[in-house]
Amino acid sequence: QQQVRQSPQSLTVWEGETAILNCSYEDSTFDYFPWYRLFPGESPALLIAIRPVSNKKEDGRFTIFFNKREKKLSLHITDSQPGDSATYFCAASAGTGYQNFYFGKGTSLTVIP
Amino acid sequence: EAAVTQSPRNKVTVTGGNVTLSCRQTNSHNYMYWYRQDTGHGLRLIHYSYGAGNLQIGDVPDGYKATRTTQEDFFLLLELASPSQTSLYFCASSDQGAEVFFGKGTRLTVV
Repeated sequence: QQQVRQSPQSLTVWEGETAILNCSYEDSTFDYFPWYRLFPGESPALLIAIRPVSNKKEDGRFTIFFNKREKKLSLHITDSQPGDSATYFCAASAGTGYQNFYFGKGTSLTVIP
Repeated sequence: EAAVTQSPRNKVTVTGGNVTLSCRQTNSHNYMYWYRQDTGHGLRLIHYSYGAGNLQIGDVPDGYKATRTTQEDFFLLLELASPSQTSLYFCASSDQGAEVFFGKGTRLTVV
């Protein structure tokens, strides 16, 4: 069973638009939700993360909106830039015991100038 | 900045061949992971470890062995490589409840 689901699989937006990437999860014990960004040839790198004590986390142009009741979250990228073109992975983990991150399948974002 | 170094960065082997992927972290992290990344599948956990000598099975372990020889070093072994194991492999490390740091990946091709 897929623990973390992402949609859409790919997304194309124009420069300056807001890109919205969606994520949902199965396990209600998950308590940490990071988003990783992967540029081709590079390492996946932490972009922004949220814990369920908050329903919103903002960092510059990147905002996570979190709905614990529906077990959904979304990443909003405002004023999208061509340099934001990358694959974005939503992940989830439960912080107790061993740490196993469950990653979604990723959303490939293309920003057209 | 946390450092995770993978070697080799690229590898081509034949079906049935023996391959070892290496990973070293200098972050003093307890947890180390091996993932494979495939289009349409995202990042899938193969094996992980929470300390030297420890090994835990991930979600897609078939055809892979792993060994954590020290806190710094984590190896992934493919003893009879198959074309289905052609993939981009990422090693990562973390402390419990903290950010995961990834290496730059090893692209493995099995012909």
